[in-house]
Order: sequence, then C-alpha cells, then structure tokens
Amino acid sequence: SAVISQKPSRDICQRGTSLTIQCQVDSQVTMMFWYRQQPGQSLTLIATANQGSEATYESGFVIDKFPISRPNLTFSTLTVSNMSPEDSSIYLCSAGLTRNTEAFFGQGTRLTVV
Amino acid sequence: DQQVKQNSPSLSVQEGRISILNCDYTNSMFDYFLWYKKYPAEGPTFLISISSIKDKNEDGRFTVFLNKSAKHLSLHIVPSQPGDSAVYFCAASAVGGTYKYIFGTGTRLKVLA
Repeated sequence: SAVISQKPSRDICQRGTSLTIQCQVDSQVTMMFWYRQQPGQSLTLIATANQGSEATYESGFVIDKFPISRPNLTFSTLTVSNMSPEDSSIYLCSAGLTRNTEAFFGQGTRLTVV
Repeated sequence: DQQVKQNSPSLSVQEGRISILNCDYTNSMFDYFLWYKKYPAEGPTFLISISSIKDKNEDGRFTVFLNKSAKHLSLHIVPSQPGDSAVYFCAASAVGGTYKYIFGTGTRLKVLA
C-alpha cells in the first residue's frame, strides 16, 4: 500500500489568486493522478501526473489553469490558477503502484474561493 | 459522457441485512474495476477490486460481482453494519493508454441500527 499526504487540507482563497497543492507519497509509485470532486458530484479526473514530463490532461482541463509538476516518483503538485468561485471543490491526489492495482488517495484539499 | 454510472444515489438498509450497490459502465475496454468507500472530509478508501478475467471476488463481508456481457458490476456487503454508512464509488480502468481510473457517480449507503 501507499500512504499519501496532501497539503494544505483546506484553504480559503481570494478570486484571481493561485493555490499550489502538494502531494507526497511514502513510496515510489508508477502513477499519480489529480481529481476534483465538486459538491455532491463524483470524482473527476483532472490529469495524470507524469514523472519528468508534462502531465496528461483530460478533456475540459488545461495546463494554464491547472499546472502540474512531478519531479520524482513520490511527489507532485497541482496549482489552481487565477481562481474563481467555480473552482471551489475538493482536490484529491491519487497514486497507483502498478497497473491493475488499486489507487490510493490523499485526504483531499477543500478549496473555497471567495 | 459518463462512462461509469451508479443509478442509485442513495440506499438505506437495516443493520445485519445485505447491501447491494450497483454500477454500470459503457466502455468495453475497461478491464479492471474497483470499489471505494468515502467518508466526509476524507479521501476515498479502497475496498475491493476485480479483474475482467473473473466474475466474482470476495474479501470478508465484501463481494464484487462482474457481468461483462451486461457491463454491470455490483458490490454486496453482508452483514451490513452502521459503520458501513458512507458514499460508495465504483471505478474502472482500461487496457492501454495512461491507465487512468474513471469513477462512477456514487451511492450513499445508510445502514440503520
């Protein structure tokens, strides 16, 4: 298994600002993902964080809005840029050890944009 | 385009009885399926998974059934306990590509004491 630490756990931000969320895994993992869960909704995949290269974004998500870094096999960051109230959501980091195994989740970052 | 769907947003079950949560998918390339439980203010916790080469997987009180022809899977919890009250998500991943996990819409289970 893998233990995932996510920081911050929550934040209240002013519109127009940016927030960087950090995700630290206690072991090297093959895959890291970033999800968003809007109130009452499912988990929506934002992007796959690729180690040493640009992230792979899902439809509807772009790098300028959600830049992602993954400098090594245990760490990734997600930045929510130029925030608006519509970005208020829970952002979740996830990691998988190998293909066809379960993905583990951090506790999430609850973001409120005012 | 919701590739993984859970058509029941909520379910109430008496303690000790069976809880059955259902999930349907549309992408025939999905070959690995998972169930997660989520409490408020926590990240999802992995429960059980099944590969497409199987039709059943069991772990304690939790059993997952997969019907590939119907593109349907279900999670059975027996016996249900009040601590099982949470939101349950099914998820699926496909052969090839970036091997990402796609989540269903979730079912809120309430186990009544």
